[in-house]
Amino acid sequence: GDSVTQMEGPVTLSEEACLTINCTYTATGYPSLFWYVQYPGEGLQLLLKATKADDKGSNKGFEATYRKETTSFHLEKGSVQVSDSAVYFCALSRAYTGNQFYFGTGTSLTVIP
Amino acid sequence: GAGVSQSPRYKVAKRGQDVALRCDPISGHVSLFWYQQALGQGPEFLTYFQNEAQLDKSGLPSDRFFAERPEGSVSTLKIQRTQQEDSAVYLCASSPIKTADTQYFGPGTRLTVL
Repeated sequence: GDSVTQMEGPVTLSEEACLTINCTYTATGYPSLFWYVQYPGEGLQLLLKATKADDKGSNKGFEATYRKETTSFHLEKGSVQVSDSAVYFCALSRAYTGNQFYFGTGTSLTVIP
Repeated sequence: GAGVSQSPRYKVAKRGQDVALRCDPISGHVSLFWYQQALGQGPEFLTYFQNEAQLDKSGLPSDRFFAERPEGSVSTLKIQRTQQEDSAVYLCASSPIKTADTQYFGPGTRLTVL
């Protein structure tokens, strides 16, 4: 079945460090791929998405490229800030139906000044 | 603006009790989703409504779980005869379109079954 495997955390970085959170997927067909973020005490928010191979999603300095050949959607940011401290979830939307979402287990990021 | 709201935010139940969790989606959103998030895990899909029709309930873990959205707006997730393994955060999300690609999440209800 469809699934998402996400890099385990927690991850601790110093401010301005580079971030990569790995995400790979298994799916039938061509799913849409997403990164969601959950800030402390808040609900899940969509960070970025990509709907087809080679698409790059970007938002708030974060980027992820839909790589069909490696079935990956790694999240990257060149310079993290303390305000980026949150839990990040990779997810896919099942192809053809679009109604079933599969989430990874989440990666906790803490950025220290 | 008003987002997705859920109530109660916290619920403690004794094993065997029935519980009802409420979701108020964003006004006008046609799609509504329920997820279960166990501690340290990602959300897992439970069920999906398009307006008042429950089009997918394949994620409901047992027949003790029941969801409804009778007028196509507010939804209730009911769990009968709660068990300890039902302890989790229950998330609701709504979407203005018929797919989950643009969904807005509520803050969740944390259910603890003693």
